Amino acid sequence: EPEVTQTPSHQVTQMGQEVILRCVPISNHLYFYWYRQILGQKVEFLVSFYNNEISEKSEIFDDQFSVERPDGSNFTLKIRSTKLEDSAMYFCASSEYLLAGAYEQYFGPGTRLTVT
Amino acid sequence: SQQGEEDPQALSIQEGENATMNCSYKTSINNLQWYRQNSGRGLVHLILIRSNEREKHSGRLRVTLDTSKKSSSLLITASRAADTASYFCLLSAGNMLTFGGGTRLMVKP
Repeated sequence: EPEVTQTPSHQVTQMGQEVILRCVPISNHLYFYWYRQILGQKVEFLVSFYNNEISEKSEIFDDQFSVERPDGSNFTLKIRSTKLEDSAMYFCASSEYLLAGAYEQYFGPGTRLTVT
Repeated sequence: SQQGEEDPQALSIQEGENATMNCSYKTSINNLQWYRQNSGRGLVHLILIRSNEREKHSGRLRVTLDTSKKSSSLLITASRAADTASYFCLLSAGNMLTFGGGTRLMVKP
């Protein structure tokens, strides 16, 4: 069964450093997402991406964040200058079709980001 | 209430009992989905209900949606220990997606 993969599974970085979290969505999916979950809290939507453009972003997704689909398979989330409060689990997801909320999303296993 | 509040926050039941969790929201939605998460791992899609639907079933899962009350419920019947997890509703309004706060379900064998 196809699945979304994420690398690395755990990333430790120092405050102020840049990090890139990588995701490989399911191959025939067109919509991609990033979410984060601070330990013990709810899952928060960051951004959705379609046709090489951001479709929607939340208030959390400020200028320090960016997303990119550098090739036909990878989808990346870059955090330019990490802060302690960026420590969280980051989930990538993909869905098959255009209407973001109308189709089930397939989630990756997550990347745990620890900022020290 | 905020967009996407769930109750109860935690629920502990015995195996075989039914579990009901609720999701309330503030603004109109296009559809609502329920997801399950085991111990901080990736979320798994359970069921989707559209705004023009009132009830859907999938195996032991039953989801209802009441748009007049802006609420949805997830019922898990004949619960099993393996159902122990956190359950989240995901609200879709346009392209904006919001998760509820989640219900932590513990099913005791």
